[in-house]
Amino acid sequence: AQKITQTQPGMFVQEKEAVTLDCTYDTSDPSYGLFWYKQPSSGEMIFLIYQGSYDQQNATEGRYSLNFQKARKSANLVISASQLGDSAMYFCAMRVKETSGSRLTFGEGTQLTVNP
Amino acid sequence: DTAVSQTPKYLVTQMGNDKSIKCEQNLGHDTMYWYKQDSKKFLKIMFSYNNKELIINETVPNRFSPKSPDKAHLNLHINSLELGDSAVYFCASSQDPTGNQPQHFGDGTRLSIL
Repeated sequence: AQKITQTQPGMFVQEKEAVTLDCTYDTSDPSYGLFWYKQPSSGEMIFLIYQGSYDQQNATEGRYSLNFQKARKSANLVISASQLGDSAMYFCAMRVKETSGSRLTFGEGTQLTVNP
Repeated sequence: DTAVSQTPKYLVTQMGNDKSIKCEQNLGHDTMYWYKQDSKKFLKIMFSYNNKELIINETVPNRFSPKSPDKAHLNLHINSLELGDSAVYFCASSQDPTGNQPQHFGDGTRLSIL
């Protein structure tokens, strides 16, 4: 069964520090993709970063990087130099292939609070 | 330049009513989706369409009927609304159905059933 697990319901970080949000996954499909989305209190879903299972290097996008450890089946999001605007819910998601398409399976989310 | 737009943003209605949520994307994507986010913030896919054709249909009550008049639009009609339908509904789109590209989400429609 394909499953995404985020074990941290809430995380706190001081402004300007780095924070790691955990995500583990389970799939038997050798080809998969992992995504991180941010949901601020205003409610919209914002795509942050993507890692393909065959990508050789860890994905990076500005202050976001993905610590991809394939053997451990983990895809942790690292946010460097946290800002107050980073306070939000963060979702890890895995692309699951279907017969005629694909879907995203989401984790339960981690609520990040950045303290001044 | 809104990429994926949903209307309305808020929908408050009585149990038993029928309502529709509209979604349009101007990204030129082939694939569109409807997700439901419950009160615990858990997101789950409901439907996916590729070029107006239904490709994913989760175990959703048949009171929910999606309609895609063209590949830029995916509307969701809900009949006989129930209290448990209260949630935030997100429309999303992606370039193709392979899942190799990110899905872009609309701002969500918050549905409240009285």
